[in-house]
Amino acid sequence: EIVLTQSPGTLSLSPGERATLSCRASQSVSSSYLAWYQQKPGQAPKLLIYGASSRATGIPDRFSGSGSGTDFTLTISRLEPKDFAVYYCQHYGNSPWTFGQGTKVEIK
Amino acid sequence: EVQLLESGGDLVQPGGSLRLSCAASGFSSSSYAMSWVRQAPGKGLEWVSTISASGGSTHYADSVKGRFTISRDKSKNTLYLQMSSLRVEDTAVYYCAKGHNTYGFLFEYWGQGTLVTVSS
Repeated sequence: EIVLTQSPGTLSLSPGERATLSCRASQSVSSSYLAWYQQKPGQAPKLLIYGASSRATGIPDRFSGSGSGTDFTLTISRLEPKDFAVYYCQHYGNSPWTFGQGTKVEIK
Repeated sequence: EVQLLESGGDLVQPGGSLRLSCAASGFSSSSYAMSWVRQAPGKGLEWVSTISASGGSTHYADSVKGRFTISRDKSKNTLYLQMSSLRVEDTAVYYCAKGHNTYGFLFEYWGQGTLVTVSS
């Protein structure tokens, strides 16, 4: 089973700042089958990034993903008030399909 | 527009059973892998189960294997999760999710969830 470890647990930033979120896998993620989701309080998760760096439909370009192997990054270039949420990474290669524990991006 | 509407969540005693439903609209759910993902109160996301587009293969997390069964009714465009031998640790919001057209285990769209509480 691939264990995904996200860091930091909480990121305190101001609107307009850049957010950098990390997701480290316990073993290599095949074919960069790594996704990022955003979840706001009381809402379902929303797919942001798949294939480590491809934006899902309708996702603005201030969200970008990078990385390969065991180290992946989600970057939000300029935080907007609606971006404050919890972000999860997920691998979708071989079963079981696991999620990281999440990074909360909160308003400083 | 893709829509997923879960139902069936309830308060149930440990050892009990429950069946969740997920009504899909805006697409034919039988053309895609469909999954259940859960989230315990205040916790992160946990993949639970997936059924392939054909329905010929199913996958389960070790934590629910032998207790939960995923299925679908193509005529009703509905996904199900039959849960039995429920435990307190199964308490969670259960989301159904539509798989990506290329990567079935990538969760492209999610429903709003249904709450299952297991407690005496």
